[in-house]
Amino acid sequence: DGGITQSPKYLFRKEGQNVTLSCEQNLNHDAMYWYRQDPGQGLRLIYYSQIVNDFQKGDIAEGYSVSREKKESFPLTVTSAQKNPTAFYLCASSIDPVAGQETQYFGPGTRLLVL
Amino acid sequence: SQELEQSPQSLIVQEGKNLTINCTSSKTLYGLYWYKQKYGEGLIFLMMLQKGGEEKSHEKITAKLDEKKQQSSLHITASQPSHAGIYLCGADEGTSYGKLTFGQGTILTVHP
Repeated sequence: DGGITQSPKYLFRKEGQNVTLSCEQNLNHDAMYWYRQDPGQGLRLIYYSQIVNDFQKGDIAEGYSVSREKKESFPLTVTSAQKNPTAFYLCASSIDPVAGQETQYFGPGTRLLVL
Repeated sequence: SQELEQSPQSLIVQEGKNLTINCTSSKTLYGLYWYKQKYGEGLIFLMMLQKGGEEKSHEKITAKLDEKKQQSSLHITASQPSHAGIYLCGADEGTSYGKLTFGQGTILTVHP
């Protein structure tokens, strides 16, 4: 089955610790995205990547980092510089937004909690 | 940047009733997406509208984009408990990478 997987489902972070959230897709999509969702708010874009080895900051990139070494993988690291990391993190992908195929499909999400 | 306002913020209906959720944009919409989310899960794509006056339906859910392309509505006919969840609208900002701006979501509860 084709789809987007995120792991883990729940993640606990200690003060000063970096943690990495996994996102994998087997849809052969070019573009991938990371969003943060807080209660009562819509999704906010953290980072996006249109092609392998290239990524750009979104609206709230401070305290986060990403890599795109493979087309199917787009891991997100929440660094210790992110002072309020508790949130629900969603990964998405789209076929080729440059060509107009921009519908985004989402993974199941990872909930990050601070101990 | 574009802002999306959804109304109502929450909605409680009895099974079998019809309901409408609205999404209003501060700017003209290039494209408008509707998603559904169960609490603690990912977003499920429902429909995408691009043309003014466009209307699309899937099962008992109908979405419309007004002629001026600044407002969309999502209508559910004869609601069922399976329709319960959070409905989010997302606006295509017309960037090359498909950036979406999302509304804050509408929480729908359907009582059997």
